[in-house]
Amino acid sequence: DSGVTQTPKHLITATGQRVTLRCSPRSGDLSVYWYQQSLDQGLQFLIQYYNGEERAKGNILERFSAQQFPDLHSELNLSSLELGDSALYFCASSVGPTGAYEQYFGPGTRLTVT
Amino acid sequence: AQSVSQHNHHVILSEAASLELGCNYSYGGTVNLFWYVQYPGQHLQLLLKYFSGDPLVKGIKGFEAEFIKSKFSFNLRKPSVQWSDTAEYFCAGAGGGGNKLTFGTGTQLKVEL
Repeated sequence: DSGVTQTPKHLITATGQRVTLRCSPRSGDLSVYWYQQSLDQGLQFLIQYYNGEERAKGNILERFSAQQFPDLHSELNLSSLELGDSALYFCASSVGPTGAYEQYFGPGTRLTVT
Repeated sequence: AQSVSQHNHHVILSEAASLELGCNYSYGGTVNLFWYVQYPGQHLQLLLKYFSGDPLVKGIKGFEAEFIKSKFSFNLRKPSVQWSDTAEYFCAGAGGGGNKLTFGTGTQLKVEL
């Protein structure tokens, strides 16, 4: 158990819908990262927040957004869902703001868009 | 552009065989390198990391990796694999001071009894 929690574990929804994925970092960690893992794209970095502020952006679609709240938990919002958004979404946390700090991964949320 | 590549996509070994998984990186400047493992149905776990210092790093479960700057490589090794090592292995890198981890495409390791 890494100490990073994600809810829900599984999510099944229809195209065009909007969902919210939630992540709670390890105690003491200020950074939260979001990743998407799919068979065709592999593991892709989406976005990072550090202490409430957006820190880095990766291959995140405009239909997706995220935020980090004062209690440091983070939410990833996916809207106008398409079949191709079906994937495993991982959250990771680290104590510091850069890649110099090791990241601890949560169990993931498996999103299925039908 | 920063990138990490893994050349072996699928590896099948018998128990007790030695393992070496290749990882090459392309980064300017300093780089932090990691190996993660993902057991079936589970999340990624950190096996080992290299930030600086001794280029031979030892991780959990008997794994080690060697950072060879001249070859831009960070290969993962284990002298004797077990059936329980069956998993997907990811090499990842982050530029010193950079934020995101860039992952390789992963190597599926299957260890047969």
